[in-house]
Parts: sequence; C-alpha cells; structure tokens
Amino acid sequence: QKEVEQNSGPLSVPEGAIASLNCTYSDRVSQSFFWYRQYSGKSPELIMSIYSNGDKEDGRFTAQLNKASQYVSLLIRDSQPSDSATYLCASYSGAGSYQLTFGKGTKLSVIP
Amino acid sequence: SAVISQKPSRDICQRGTSLTIQCQVDSQVTMMFWYRQQPGQSLTLIATANQGSEATYESGFVIDKFPISRPNLTFSTLTVSNMSPEDSSIYLCSVGQGVRNGYTFGSGTRLTVV
Repeated sequence: QKEVEQNSGPLSVPEGAIASLNCTYSDRVSQSFFWYRQYSGKSPELIMSIYSNGDKEDGRFTAQLNKASQYVSLLIRDSQPSDSATYLCASYSGAGSYQLTFGKGTKLSVIP
Repeated sequence: SAVISQKPSRDICQRGTSLTIQCQVDSQVTMMFWYRQQPGQSLTLIATANQGSEATYESGFVIDKFPISRPNLTFSTLTVSNMSPEDSSIYLCSVGQGVRNGYTFGSGTRLTVV
C-alpha cells in the first residue's frame, strides 16, 4: 500500500527563520511529488512540484528530493506569519492511475 | 492552471437526504477526482470521474452511496446519498493537467448532516 508519511507537528518557527518540512514515501516507483499549502477552512493550494533528484527553488520555497532515500522536503526561507498553514505532501506513482497519495500534513506556525 | 467552480460552498442537510455537489472547470481536463477531507484529517480519494463511463471508486466507497456523473470534460457532479452525520466532511473536486504540473482543487463543499 502506498503511503506518504509526515510529522503532524505543530512545527513552530520564529518569523524570519527557515522552516523545514519533511516527507517520506513508501512506493519506490513514485515519480512526482507535490507540496500543497492549506489554510484553515480553505482548499489545498499547490506551491511546489518536483520530480528530479536534487533541489528546486521558487522564491522563498525550495523542494528537495532524494529518491534513493525516498525522502522529500520543503524549505521555507524567511518564514512569515502568513506561511502559517498545514502543508501536505503528495506523491504520484503512475502505474495506470493518475491519483495522488497524500500525507496527513504538517501544521506550521510562524511566530511573529 | 485550470479554474474550478465548485458549489455549493456549504450546506446543512437532514439525515436520510441527498446532496449533489457540482464542479465546473474553465477548460477541458482529462483527469477529475473527488476527495473527502474529514475534520483535522488529510485528503481521501473517493473516486476518479471518467468522462463517458462509470467512475472508478476507491476501497470503502461505493457507487450507491456516492454516485458520480461526468457528462463532458469540463463538468462533474458528486452526490452524497442517504446521508448520516458520519458524512459530515469537506468534499473537494480536483483536476489534473499533467502529473508533473500537479492537480488543482476546487474551493470545497463543507457538508454538515444533522
């Protein structure tokens, strides 16, 4: 069974610090990975996708993928109180199905 | 990315009744999904809505309880039938535009069954 694991948190960081969110996955053939941000009472919003080993940067966000370790991370630099949300990690494995497998999410609180 | 209009945004329903949720996309999409998110939980896939054929349901979800229509590549409905309080949840439609581009979610329907 495909699983995506995340620490539920809450993860608290001071404003301006780097927030590090981690995710592991069980399906070795997983091809693509996504980070979604979900504010309370809102639907998930895609913020990063990654499918190659290494780092991918977009503004203050950096996604990191290590397929050998089956590990995905999201770094948020210069964290802002507006980054306070639940971050969902998701994987896509292909194999005839287009569905994503989601982790339970990590709740991030950025303290002013 | 695609723009999704989902409605209703919320509803309070009596047990035993049914509610139909609509999802309209501003462009043709091949992949459309329906998810449920219970309070404080992550997303659980209910089914994949297939255009012109029966939906593909995940384990634990059945067509009689969650009938889905997908008449074309821009529209789908999910019906929650014979509702009980356990069906109180947020229901979300999602569309895919290529697995490397990720999937976009509608704004969700917050359902409360009393």
